[in-house]
Amino acid sequence: AQSVAQPEDQVNVAEGNPLTVKCTYSVSGNPYLFWYVQYPNRGLQFLLKYITGDNLVKGSYGFEAEFNKSQTSFHLKKPSALVSDSALYFCAVRDMGGNNNDMRFGAGTRLTVKP
Amino acid sequence: GAGVSQSPSNKVTEKGKDVELRCDPISGHTALYWYRQRLGQGLEFLIYFQGNSAPDKSGLPSDRFSAERTGESVSTLTIQRTQQEDSAVYLCASRHRYYEQYFGPGTRLTVT
Repeated sequence: AQSVAQPEDQVNVAEGNPLTVKCTYSVSGNPYLFWYVQYPNRGLQFLLKYITGDNLVKGSYGFEAEFNKSQTSFHLKKPSALVSDSALYFCAVRDMGGNNNDMRFGAGTRLTVKP
Repeated sequence: GAGVSQSPSNKVTEKGKDVELRCDPISGHTALYWYRQRLGQGLEFLIYFQGNSAPDKSGLPSDRFSAERTGESVSTLTIQRTQQEDSAVYLCASRHRYYEQYFGPGTRLTVT
């Protein structure tokens, strides 16, 4: 079965600095990878996905993520953080090689951007 | 277009009562998921429906939890004999084929 790990519960960065939120995954087949963001008291919003093709994917709000097959990682990045980026971020994976195709989410990483 | 909707948005119930939560997925989305999110925590997978296939119920925490979906339309999550530990936000999401999930706003359940 697929699984995903977000090794950091909390990431703190200063506004204007680059940010990275880490994600690693485990699947038996090919992964579909996703990032979602949850603002306080809101539902989850889709940010970006990797299905196939270019390993660097760009998404909403200036975020991007790089698929690294050898390291089984899909870290979320942004060159210059904004205070408004402060939220809870979830990485998710679907295993397209398994018998099921449900999605598994990481535990989430709380990003705090300080002015 | 319309997104995923859930009702009620908030539900307060007494311990021991049954509750029913509703999810209206995006039209045409074949897959539907239910998740539970406790305060400040991650998503806990509950159940997954894909078209007319048998649902994946592997995430349901006990036999007090059940869910139904008719075809590719509305789904209801039922919790019987609610307990205080059932208090959480219950999120529904729908998906079209291989694409990303779209989440509803959730139902906040409080068991007193």
